[in-house]
Formats: sequence, structure tokens, C-alpha cells
Amino acid sequence: EPEVTQTPSHQVTQMGQEVILRCVPISNHLYFYWYRQILGQKVEFLVSFYNNEISEKSEIFDDQFSVERPDGSNFTLKIRSTKLEDSAMYFCASIRDRNPTYQETQYFGPGTRLLVL
Amino acid sequence: ELKVEQNPLFLSMQEGKNYTIYCNYSTTSDRLYWYRQDPGKSLESLFVLLSNGAVKQEGRLMASLDTKARLSTLHITAAVHDLSATYFCAVDIQGGSEKLVFGKGTKLTVNP
Repeated sequence: EPEVTQTPSHQVTQMGQEVILRCVPISNHLYFYWYRQILGQKVEFLVSFYNNEISEKSEIFDDQFSVERPDGSNFTLKIRSTKLEDSAMYFCASIRDRNPTYQETQYFGPGTRLLVL
Repeated sequence: ELKVEQNPLFLSMQEGKNYTIYCNYSTTSDRLYWYRQDPGKSLESLFVLLSNGAVKQEGRLMASLDTKARLSTLHITAAVHDLSATYFCAVDIQGGSEKLVFGKGTKLTVNP
């Protein structure tokens, strides 16, 4: 069964460093998302991406964050200058179609656990 | 701002018992999702509920949606240990899965 993959599974970085989290969505999916989950808390939406541009972003997704789809398969989240509070699990998700009548669901990747020291 | 409230946040139950998890949301939505998360793992889709009165069942889990009451329930029947996990409801307020707003999750522990 197709699945969303993410690399790395864990990343430890120093405060102020740049990190790039990578995702490979399911191949025929068109809509892509990043969410984060701070340890023990709920999952929070960061950004959605369609047709090579951001569709919507949350207040969390400030100028330190950017997303890119550099080729036909990868979808990346970059944090330019990490802060301690960026420590979280970051999930990539994708969905094939957003037609409201479809029984579609967002498929989540396994996540990247980011620790900022 | 959309709020999604789940209760209870923690649930400890014995095997064989029944229980219901509730998910209330504050804004009109016709699409609600239930996900399961095991510790340190990703989110696994359980149910997609698309319309008022929708009811879906998979094994010992049954989910329903009442859009007028802005309420979804996840009912557990004859719980088994394997159901121990955190269950999240998520609401899509824009009808096209633009973004999901999650509840805080219900951590379910099923004791032998």
C-alpha cells in the first residue's frame, strides 16, 4: 500500500541552525501539508501546498519557515534559524483530491522528531 | 476561531467494557475525521464522516456524526488491550480538506 515517507526520522540541531525536513508524498496525491505535534500535545496545522504554491498557512508558519517541492516527488519544510520551541514531531501529509464528496482522508507520514538544543 | 474539544482526555477501562469518546466542535463542518496514534508513531486514519447522521463501524469501533449538534462520538465496544492508543478527532471546516483542526486527543488505556 502506498505511504507517505519522511526523512530523517530524528534530527538534533543547535539553536539558530537551519534544518530541512523531507517528505515524499503518495505519488498520485496533489495536496500536501505539514503539521507539528509538540510532545504530549495536539497536532497543529502549519501549511498546505498545492500546484507549487502555499494554499494556506497558520500563525505558527512565520518567516522562519518555508516549503518547497523541488522535484516531482519531494516536499520539504525548511526552518531557517531554529528556536528551542521548534522542538516537536513534524508530520507531512498528503491527499489525492479535496472534493468534499469524496471519502478522502489525509495520509500522514511517520514524522520527523526535531530536537533543538 | 474553530475549537475542537474532546473528552475525556484520559480514559482507563477494563477489557470487555464499552465506552464513548466525545468530540465537540464550534463551527459548522460537514467533514470529521478520527485518527489513532500509537506512542511515537504517526496518525492512522480510522474514519471519515461526511454528512449529518453518518455512522461508520470498523471492528470494535463505531463513529457517528451529528452536524446539527456539532458532535461526533467514537464508541468502543468490548474493549481489548490492542485498542490502547491516543484517539484524535479532527475537523475540516472548509469542506475540501484544506487543513484539519485537531482535538487534544483521548489517551485510552485498556487494562486486562
